[in-house]
Amino acid sequence: TQLLEQSPQFLSIQEGENLTVYCNSSSVFSSLQWYRQEPGEGPVLLVTVVTGGEVKKLKRLTFQFGDARKDSSLHITAAQTGDTGLYLCAGAWRGGSQGNLIFGKGTKLSVKP
Amino acid sequence: KAGVTQTPRYLIKTRGQQVTLSCSPISGHRSVSWYQQTPGQGLQFLFEYFSETQRNKGNFPGRFSGRQFSNSRSEMNVSTLELGDSALYLCASSLGTAQPQHFGDGTRLSIL
Repeated sequence: TQLLEQSPQFLSIQEGENLTVYCNSSSVFSSLQWYRQEPGEGPVLLVTVVTGGEVKKLKRLTFQFGDARKDSSLHITAAQTGDTGLYLCAGAWRGGSQGNLIFGKGTKLSVKP
Repeated sequence: KAGVTQTPRYLIKTRGQQVTLSCSPISGHRSVSWYQQTPGQGLQFLFEYFSETQRNKGNFPGRFSGRQFSNSRSEMNVSTLELGDSALYLCASSLGTAQPQHFGDGTRLSIL
């Protein structure tokens, strides 16, 4: 069974703080996707990283794919209340009983004003 | 461009009943995947359909089934409902296998 472990599971911070969430696996993925899910809605794709060592920036969000393509991180600078949500990472691999995308259980982020 | 549409949004059923959930993908997307989301287990893969054929299936009992029509719309059926089937069921469409998923807002199924 392929596993993607996300940490921390829960994170509560004040507006303006920085934070990093992690996505780790013992498996190599061809690509990794990050999603954000808000209450009552489906996950929305934030970014896809493909190359080992790749860094992508989306405004205050910085995504990094590990050199060995087994792990990834999401760093948020100066968090805002609008960043509140469940952050999910998903690794793409060859398929099987878990499908072609393996999802982590997510990091639930709460940003307080 | 219209997003992924799932109907109904909410459903309440009792044990032993069956239910059918519907998903209309983004126009042009031929891959449709279904997931079950619960607080304890997170997102768990149910199955993927591509051009009316089931490509992958997750580790769920045979009570969970699905199908895809020629217009790429998909349905998921759960028979003999159990309390543990209470969850958010998400449908996602994409251009192909393991491509970025475009999710609907889900169907919240509650079993009494």
